[in-house]
Amino acid sequence: GAVVSQHPSWVICKSGTSVKIECRSLDFQATTMFWYRQFPKQSLMLMATSNEGSKATYEQGVEKDKFLINHASLTLSTLTVTSAHPEDSSFYICSARADENVRWGKLFFGSGTQLSVL
Amino acid sequence: QKEVEQNSGPLSVPEGAIASLNCTYSDRVSQSFFWYRQYSGKSPELIMSIYSNGDKEDGRFTAQLNKASQYVSLLIRDSQPSDSATYLCAVKGPGANSKLTFGKGITLSVRP
Repeated sequence: GAVVSQHPSWVICKSGTSVKIECRSLDFQATTMFWYRQFPKQSLMLMATSNEGSKATYEQGVEKDKFLINHASLTLSTLTVTSAHPEDSSFYICSARADENVRWGKLFFGSGTQLSVL
Repeated sequence: QKEVEQNSGPLSVPEGAIASLNCTYSDRVSQSFFWYRQYSGKSPELIMSIYSNGDKEDGRFTAQLNKASQYVSLLIRDSQPSDSATYLCAVKGPGANSKLTFGKGITLSVRP
């Protein structure tokens, strides 16, 4: 299967700082990537859809100024959690959809980033 | 609102048994169906995809799709303790812009 690389795997930061998470599709082009958040023992919650060369589309209730998304190339999307607070502590997971698989929508996930805000 | 339901669970089966995981969806025009496996603390891993009615087999896994009844299931034969994980059902509608909708997941425990 296709490989999606996500870094860092875990990060601990102080309240008020910003954290950047990178998501790369290693062996395929992904015009569209997705960012999810998952709290313990809960399912995935879609935060936003990242589109190369255009603005991200955010789900209802997700603050676009707090969760900055940049999709600079066909293989890289970044999520920056700005002014992080303890309630932002969660497992953040990116996923990518290969451009040749747009119709069927198969997603491949990165390894996830566990964010802990002190 | 499009819904994907995984109501049964948690599920516990003995090693070597068949585990049957079920999923129903509300959007009749859904066209793509996926099963992901997620170990605790890890991200989801795609294990099966199915797009047309019937069965699709891959090793010990069989996905079954019935669009008329709007359900998709996953059978795991000869269950192993390493199969213990949460299994997420995901459904996508037609069109390139249609998003994937995930169920809440079923936790499977395979007893040695």
